[in-house]
Amino acid sequence: ETGVTQSPTHLIKTRGQQVTLRCSSQSGHNTVSWYQQALGQGPQFIFQYYREEENGRGNFPPRFSGLQFPNYSSELNVNALELDDSALYLCASRIKITGGDNYGYTFGSGTRLTVV
Amino acid sequence: AQSVTQLDSQVPVFEEAPVELRCNYSSSVSVYLFWYVQYPNQGLQLLLKYLSGSTLVESINGFEAEFNKSQTSFHLRKPSVHISDTAEYFCAVSDLTGGFKTIFGAGTRLFVKA
Repeated sequence: ETGVTQSPTHLIKTRGQQVTLRCSSQSGHNTVSWYQQALGQGPQFIFQYYREEENGRGNFPPRFSGLQFPNYSSELNVNALELDDSALYLCASRIKITGGDNYGYTFGSGTRLTVV
Repeated sequence: AQSVTQLDSQVPVFEEAPVELRCNYSSSVSVYLFWYVQYPNQGLQLLLKYLSGSTLVESINGFEAEFNKSQTSFHLRKPSVHISDTAEYFCAVSDLTGGFKTIFGAGTRLFVKA
């Protein structure tokens, strides 16, 4: 148990649909990042939120969007699903201390999304 | 922009043998370096990290990695592996600018044989 919980664990959606994935971070973790991990590949950075504002984004289209809430939970929303969106989606959180070290992420176990 | 290259996609090794998983990175700014491990159907777990100071860092389960700035490498080593070390290992780099975005390599699958 890492303290980062993702739901659901598995999900099947049809092409063109919309999906919302959820993450509950550890208390105090003010930074959350979302990653997409396709089969056999490393995690690809989607975006990062710090204190409810997006402060970094990878090479993903605008149909990937997110929210971070004051209670350390967050969401990843994907609109107009495509077959290539099938992947493991990982939420990772950490404490960001101004001027301090980056202590590394705590990852959740992920949501396996299958688009058919 | 940063990038991470893991030179081996798969490393098979016999139990109790030594192993080295190679990682090279590219960055125009100073970075933090990490190794994460992923067991089947699980998320990633932080194995060890280099932030500053001694270039040799160790984990609690016998892995170590050495930061080599001149060669831009952060190879992971273990002198004697166990069956339970079979997993996917990811090298990652995080820049020291405000966002601390972390970029991962493609991973190396370590397969320990009896």
